[in-house]
Amino acid sequence: QSVLTQPPSVSGAPGQRVTISCTGNSSNLGAGYDVHWHQQLPGSAPRLLIYANIKRPSGVPARFSGSKSATSASLAITGLQAEDEADYYCQSYDTRLSVVFGGGTKLTVL
Amino acid sequence: QITLKESGPALVEPTQTLTLTCTFSGFSLDTSGLGVAWIRQPPGKALEWLALILWDDDARYNPSLRSRLTVTKDASRNEVVLSMANMAPVDTATYYCSHYPSYSTRALDFWGQGTVVTVSS
Repeated sequence: QSVLTQPPSVSGAPGQRVTISCTGNSSNLGAGYDVHWHQQLPGSAPRLLIYANIKRPSGVPARFSGSKSATSASLAITGLQAEDEADYYCQSYDTRLSVVFGGGTKLTVL
Repeated sequence: QITLKESGPALVEPTQTLTLTCTFSGFSLDTSGLGVAWIRQPPGKALEWLALILWDDDARYNPSLRSRLTVTKDASRNEVVLSMANMAPVDTATYYCSHYPSYSTRALDFWGQGTVVTVSS
C-alpha cells in the first residue's frame, strides 16, 4: 500500500481537461514538503513532469499543471491528447521514508 | 546533461543476492547535496522506493526491505551499487536508479532506462 493515495484510473476525451489527485498526511505533504509528478508511458521509464508542486521541466507542455494545498495535490491536463495516455505517479519526501510515491493513476484517452 | 544507466543480471535464482550497478554522467557524487535513489516496479504494479545514498555516504533504506539492502557509491567511477539479499520471485521487477537533489526539491529528476530482473529457478 502506497504512502500517497491516488485514484487508480481516470479518463477523458480528446480536448477535455482531467485532474489526478494525490493525498498525503502530516509526515509528507502536510509537513510542507513538495510534491512532484512523473509520467510513465507504456513500456518506458518514468519521466519528471511537474516538480516543486507547480514547476514544469524544460520540454513539458504547458497543458500540464500542478497544484498543492495542505495534504493534497493535483495534476491537471488540459487539451487532452492521445499521447497523454500513460500512468502518472505523485512523489514526495516523508519524514519516515526519504522517497514516497502514490499508487499511480492510469489515464485513458477515450 | 545528466544520464543514468542500470546494469546487472537479468535472471537471479531464489535465495541469491542481486547486485545492480548504476553508472551515471553529468553530475558528481562528490557534490554536496546530491544523491542517487533506487526504485523498483513489479510487472503491472506501482513504483516502490528501495534505497538512497547521498554525497556524504549517508544511506537510507525503505524500512520494509532494510535488512536485505545495501547501497554504496564510488564517486571516482561515477557508480552506485545496490545489493539485495535473499531474492524471491516477488522481487521480480524493473529496477531503476535516479538522480536525487537532496539540497533542493528532492524530485527524482532524471531516471535511468531500467533493468529487468527475473527471480526464478
